[in-house]
Amino acid sequence: AQTVTQSQPEMSVQEAETVTLSCTYDTSENNYYLFWYKQPPSRQMILVIRQEAYKQQNATENRFSVNFQKAAKSFSLKISDSQLGDTAMYFCAFAEYNTDKLIFGTGTRLQVFP
Amino acid sequence: DAGVIQSPRHEVTEMGQEVTLRCKPISGHDYLFWYRQTMMRGLELLIYFNNNVPIDDSGMPEDRFSAKMPNASFSTLKIQPSEPRDSAVYFCASSLQNLLSGANVLTFGAGSRLTVL
Repeated sequence: AQTVTQSQPEMSVQEAETVTLSCTYDTSENNYYLFWYKQPPSRQMILVIRQEAYKQQNATENRFSVNFQKAAKSFSLKISDSQLGDTAMYFCAFAEYNTDKLIFGTGTRLQVFP
Repeated sequence: DAGVIQSPRHEVTEMGQEVTLRCKPISGHDYLFWYRQTMMRGLELLIYFNNNVPIDDSGMPEDRFSAKMPNASFSTLKIQPSEPRDSAVYFCASSLQNLLSGANVLTFGAGSRLTVL
């Protein structure tokens, strides 16, 4: 069975600095998708970024980028120029190619300080 | 579109009572998912539907839990009888299968916080 591990329960960063959140996963599949979701205090789950495993190029969305290491089964999220609004829980998630289920990690709580 | 709409936003009930959580997916989405979020276990997939048909309910914790999707615009998650350990935030999410990439990008509702006393 696939598993997703986020080993950092909590992280903190100062505004304008850069922070990296870790995620590892376990699968025997070759084709799959990886996602980072953000859950602010409002509880709404928001898609931050996604990566297709067959693409070698790391996905980027504005200040958010990933470091996808397929051989190591690692998928970290880098937030550059952190903003107070980035304070949230961040969930890493995995989905097999052409399946319908997202498997989530346990989350990392990020606090951005002024 | 108003997004995925869940109700109630908060529910407090007593042990043994029946609880019904409701979800209206985004119009046109053909997948609907129910997740449960707790501090201890994180986000767990309970059940999901495709075109109103339950596809995988292996995450439903026990027979006290049931879910239905009578039509494309409405789903319910019912707990009967409820227990204190059912206290959690229950999320509904919907998606449209992306046939080109195969990736399901979920849109989540705001969640229903359930407290069972």
